[in-house]
Amino acid sequence: QQPVQSPQAVILREGEDAVINCSSSKALYSVHWYRQKHGEAPVFLMILLKGGEQKGHEKISASFNEKKQQSSLYLTASQLSYSGTYFCGTLDLNSGYSTLTFGKGTMLLVSP
Amino acid sequence: DTGVSQNPRHKITKRGQNVTFRCDPISEHNRLYWYRQTLGQGPEFLTYFQNEAQLEKSRLLSDRFSAERPKGSFSTLEIQRTEQGDSAMYLCASSLDSTETGELFFGEGSRLTVL
Repeated sequence: QQPVQSPQAVILREGEDAVINCSSSKALYSVHWYRQKHGEAPVFLMILLKGGEQKGHEKISASFNEKKQQSSLYLTASQLSYSGTYFCGTLDLNSGYSTLTFGKGTMLLVSP
Repeated sequence: DTGVSQNPRHKITKRGQNVTFRCDPISEHNRLYWYRQTLGQGPEFLTYFQNEAQLEKSRLLSDRFSAERPKGSFSTLEIQRTEQGDSAMYLCASSLDSTETGELFFGEGSRLTVL
């Protein structure tokens, strides 16, 4: 089942902060975040694992609340290069799949 | 460049025709994935290989779709008797680690338009 992302779109000025949320109705093993710029391939940002281990991007942080099956991506002091669509991908081990299910994405536009 | 390579990048075909896409993953990656993406949506999982073995297929995947990875290197995705609803971007990704902890490296995709 597809995770739900919110908001659908965010418009920021350079230097402002944003939070993107991802929630699932399933018990999750991990949450993965990707960014896709227009016309380009999705690019990996971060993995958050059950148990709290985190790997990822040096300028973007994230949290994973296992009990609520929610993750949030925090973009602070946004830069123009942060513009793009952010996708969370979830891994639900009870689904029988060992592959990611992606949300519909959150479009982020950072203006000067 | 040693990234994931996909071709053709664009394919326009008439309804009912067959199309084939090719993906060359990063050479040391043993896992290869096919996803489909339509406008305003996230990538939708289609199928996944570990080496030459096709381990998972989406339950939503029509039997008109078939994928192979004959020698555990490149992969092909064939769509038979294309329909207008097949129009989408077909993304290939590869990884070295397991999905639980591994980063997916995506190619730039093959865009299919069915007329």
